[in-house]
Amino acid sequence: AQSVTQLDSQVPVFEEAPVELRCNYSSSVSVYLFWYVQYPNQGLQLLLKYLSGSTLVKGINGFEAEFNKSQTSFHLRKPSVHISDTAEYFCAVTGTYKYIFGTGTRLKVLA
Amino acid sequence: EAGVTQFPSHSVIEKGQTVTLRCDPISGHDNLYWYRRVMGKEIKFLLHFVKESKQDESGMPNNRFLAERTGGTYSTLKVQPAELEDSGVYFCASSQGVNTQYFGPGTRLTVL
Repeated sequence: AQSVTQLDSQVPVFEEAPVELRCNYSSSVSVYLFWYVQYPNQGLQLLLKYLSGSTLVKGINGFEAEFNKSQTSFHLRKPSVHISDTAEYFCAVTGTYKYIFGTGTRLKVLA
Repeated sequence: EAGVTQFPSHSVIEKGQTVTLRCDPISGHDNLYWYRRVMGKEIKFLLHFVKESKQDESGMPNNRFLAERTGGTYSTLKVQPAELEDSGVYFCASSQGVNTQYFGPGTRLTVL
């Protein structure tokens, strides 16, 4: 069985500061990892994904994530956030087709 | 290219009524999925279609939920009769392969 833990339910951060949203997973098989973002009143948008290859993955809007197999983590980072990054972020893992999601992290960017 | 669309965006119904949610996947995507997020909880898998066939419906909560996919195109998810605990946001997703899923905007269902 697979599971995903997003350790922080809410993360407040000032504009232009760096941010890291944490995601840990457990799985007995090889996995694919994803981060999705949900802006207010919108659907889920794919931010980035790790399928194979380089463990540092770059996504849209300046976000990146690093797959760490030994620590079973896939933390999301951005060096400088904007007000427009305020949203809920979801980490997801899959070994086949069924996504297992974390509970989400609400990022609140403060002016 | 149009994304995944869902209708309606919101639905408010009384307990015991029937509601039908619709999902139109990205054109050419054989794989279609339904997920649900109950308030404050994680997004959970409900079922997976490949074309018109149900591949996995292990996440369907009970037999009050019925999903269909007509001709391998759009899909409907019917809840009959609706209960209070069915409230939540229902997401549809589609994919060409089985790795990367593209999600729709969701339908927010409120059962009173």
